[in-house]
Amino acid sequence: KQEVTQIPAALSVPEGENLVLNCSFTDSAIYNLQWFRQDPGKGLTSLLLIQSSQREQTSGRLNASLDKSSGRSTLYIAASQPGDSATYLCAVNNAGNMLTFGGGTRLMVKP
Amino acid sequence: SAVISQKPSRDICQRGTSLTIQCQVDSQVTMMFWYRQQPGQSLTLIATANQGSEATYESGFVIDKFPISRPNLTFSTLTVSNMSPEDSSIYLCSVVGSGGVTSENEQFFGPGTRLTVL
Repeated sequence: KQEVTQIPAALSVPEGENLVLNCSFTDSAIYNLQWFRQDPGKGLTSLLLIQSSQREQTSGRLNASLDKSSGRSTLYIAASQPGDSATYLCAVNNAGNMLTFGGGTRLMVKP
Repeated sequence: SAVISQKPSRDICQRGTSLTIQCQVDSQVTMMFWYRQQPGQSLTLIATANQGSEATYESGFVIDKFPISRPNLTFSTLTVSNMSPEDSSIYLCSVVGSGGVTSENEQFFGPGTRLTVL
């Protein structure tokens, strides 16, 4: 059974810092991995999708990497802003498009 | 990306009653999913709903408690039956993109339905 872990569970940084969120998974036979953002009481916004054959994806200040063999992904956020404050979730797709989610990282960026 | 709406956005219900949540998508999709997010927790898949077939439930979830309908390729409902306070959660539907302007197999989520059971 796939298990997904995110570290740290919570993170507070001053505005402008570059930061890294970590995601690890136990079963490396994945189809793809997706990073989401969730604001309090809201749904999920898709940030980046990495297919199993890819090593990284970039969108604006966000860069996600994937090391399938070691069961790890990282989400890099450059020049963080208060508007980046949210919970970040990684989710792994093993098969059938059924996602297994990590517990999330709650990010607070202080002005 | 797919645009997904859910109704209601939130509700407060009495124990023992049932609530039906609607999920509407702006395009035809084959696969729709229902997730539950309990307070302070991450998301857990309840079931997969494909049009024209019975929903497939994950371990720990049963059809009598969470009946699902999928009458067409743009709509689905999830009913939370005989509710108890333990059912208080956010319920989210999701769909898989078909590629094109989005990445193939990228999933998109609705805004969620926040349910409180007293």
